[in-house]
Amino acid sequence: EDQVTQSPEALRLQEGESSSLNCSYTVSGLRGLFWYRQDPGKGPEFLFTLYSAGEEKEKERLKATLTKKESFLHITAPKPEDSATYLCAVEIRGETSGSRLTFGEGTQLTVNP
Amino acid sequence: DTGVSQDPRHKITKRGQNVTFRCDPISEHNRLYWYRQTLGQGPEFLTYFQNEAQLEKSRLLSDRFSAERPKGSFSTLEIQRTEQGDSAMYLCASSKTRDSAGEQYFGPGTRLTVT
Repeated sequence: EDQVTQSPEALRLQEGESSSLNCSYTVSGLRGLFWYRQDPGKGPEFLFTLYSAGEEKEKERLKATLTKKESFLHITAPKPEDSATYLCAVEIRGETSGSRLTFGEGTQLTVNP
Repeated sequence: DTGVSQDPRHKITKRGQNVTFRCDPISEHNRLYWYRQTLGQGPEFLTYFQNEAQLEKSRLLSDRFSAERPKGSFSTLEIQRTEQGDSAMYLCASSKTRDSAGEQYFGPGTRLTVT
């Protein structure tokens, strides 16, 4: 069965304290791995797409990396405005046609000033 | 702003009533998705459309749920005979092409409370 597991569930950091979030996956036929950010009461916001092991993407203080079994979202010198829930999703083959996204449960990040 | 819009933003209904939600995707996006999200969980896939064709539907979706996208533009999600377990945030998303299917743009969601 396809599974996406994120850890930790919650993470508290001080401003400037770098850390990493983990997304491990067990899927057959990975088509892509995606990171999203979700603020309270809002829909998820797309951040990154990763397709193959060894690939890296960067945006401001965030860097996403991918291996054959997991992805990391590295946060360098975070600021309070980086506080949000970070969701990982994998694109897998659908049951009938096309594809679908399966999301992990997310990591709730809080950055204290 | 030309993002994904959803209506209503909040809906409170009594158990057993029917509810309908609307989603207007980004205009040039031909793929439209519906998800359900409960507190502390990631979005759970319900169904998706490419243009007006419904191409994928989750096995978890009971026959009380139905979705349409009649002209390939806006979409509606109807829940019949609502149950308390249907209380959740219902999210709509759109994407431009098959190649960027994972790059989805989400609306603000409709929060459903079934009393």
